[in-house]
Amino acid sequence: EPEVTQTPSHQVTQMGQEVILRCVPISNHLYFYWYRQILGQKVEFLVSFYNNEISEKSEIFDDQFSVERPDGSNFTLKIRSTKLEDSAMYFCASSVEVELSGNTIYFGEGSWLTVV
Amino acid sequence: SQQGEEDPQALSIQEGENATMNCSYKTSINNLQWYRQNSGRGLVHLILIRSNEREKHSGRLRVTLDTSKKSSSLLITASRAADTASYFCATDAERGYNKLIFGAGTRLAVHP
Repeated sequence: EPEVTQTPSHQVTQMGQEVILRCVPISNHLYFYWYRQILGQKVEFLVSFYNNEISEKSEIFDDQFSVERPDGSNFTLKIRSTKLEDSAMYFCASSVEVELSGNTIYFGEGSWLTVV
Repeated sequence: SQQGEEDPQALSIQEGENATMNCSYKTSINNLQWYRQNSGRGLVHLILIRSNEREKHSGRLRVTLDTSKKSSSLLITASRAADTASYFCATDAERGYNKLIFGAGTRLAVHP
């Protein structure tokens, strides 16, 4: 079964450093997402992306965050200057369509980010 | 307002028993989805139920949706130790499908 793949699975970074988390969504999917889950807390929506632009973003997704689809297969989340509170599991997700058929969103295994 | 709040927060049962988890939400929705997460792992999609559906089955899973009460339940029948995980409901907002709002989840422990 096709799946969303994410790299790295775990990254440790110094506070203030830039981090890029990479994702390969399911190949025929058109909608891409990033969510995060701070340890022991709820999964939170960060951003959705469609047709090469952000379609919706949350309050968490401030100017230090950016997303990009640099080629036909990858979808990246960049955190420009990491803070301790950015430590979390970051999930990439994708879906094929919305509207009448429902929007089943498939998640990857996540990338653990630890900021020290 | 909070969406997708599950109860109970934790559930401990024996293998073979049924497990029922509930989810409540506050605003109108298009779809409600249930996910499973093993400790430290990704979110596995279990089932999606649309707002015009009342019940859906998938293997040992049964999901109900009551839009008048803004609630859903996930029933796992004949549970197995491998069902041990956290289970989350996630709702979208009626005005848009893109953003899922997750509850805090139910931690299910199935003992052999």
